[in-house]
Amino acid sequence: NAGVTQTPKFRILKIGQSMTLQCAQDMNHNYMYWYRQDPGMGLKLIYYSVGAGITDKGEVPNGYNVSRSTTEDFPLRLELAAPSQTSVYFCASSYAGTTDTQYFGPGTRLTVL
Amino acid sequence: DAKTTQPPSMDCAEGRAANLPCNHSTISGNEYVYWYRQIHSQGPQYIIHGLKNNETNEMASLIITEDRKSSTLILPHATLRDTAVYYCIVRVGSGGSNYKLTFGKGTLLTVNP
Repeated sequence: NAGVTQTPKFRILKIGQSMTLQCAQDMNHNYMYWYRQDPGMGLKLIYYSVGAGITDKGEVPNGYNVSRSTTEDFPLRLELAAPSQTSVYFCASSYAGTTDTQYFGPGTRLTVL
Repeated sequence: DAKTTQPPSMDCAEGRAANLPCNHSTISGNEYVYWYRQIHSQGPQYIIHGLKNNETNEMASLIITEDRKSSTLILPHATLRDTAVYYCIVRVGSGGSNYKLTFGKGTLLTVNP
């Protein structure tokens, strides 16, 4: 199993540009999550999904959109990038049984200039 | 989710056991203790979790006190690659109304040669 994969690893955007961060998992997990981590800070939840076709907002959803058309993929869309979105983005997935241990991808480091 | 308190930093000699404490005095009966770690610039890595019994896996052991108000993560033979920030997280087992993992400041464990 590859686990949780994310692409790209690094990206520099100009203010106002758009991009999609890709996330995929091959563990047949039903739950998937997007977090962001600013320098020296903890992770903040952006969006999450409990299954294909179902998404919901986390703590910091403004400026982002998500979709979940398949169990495996959970892309994060940034429209009109702003410097405040400079961060490291982590995707995670879990299987919600008695406990839902979250497994994380390697992250995408995004800089908006 | 219950709040946790961890020392900001600890040192350990390579090959020795690393014992990382966590206080969670307001833990509820249905809340689990999870441990994750984050090696610099990488995605958080799940280590272990438990409810009230002690747990062991290939990475570590988790000792939870009888009153469940504190716990200790034990890395039996620390290596240089175990240098990371270790997070103790207390949360309900599966989803519920709060899906996110709340990462506090954690403990920076430095393993010295």
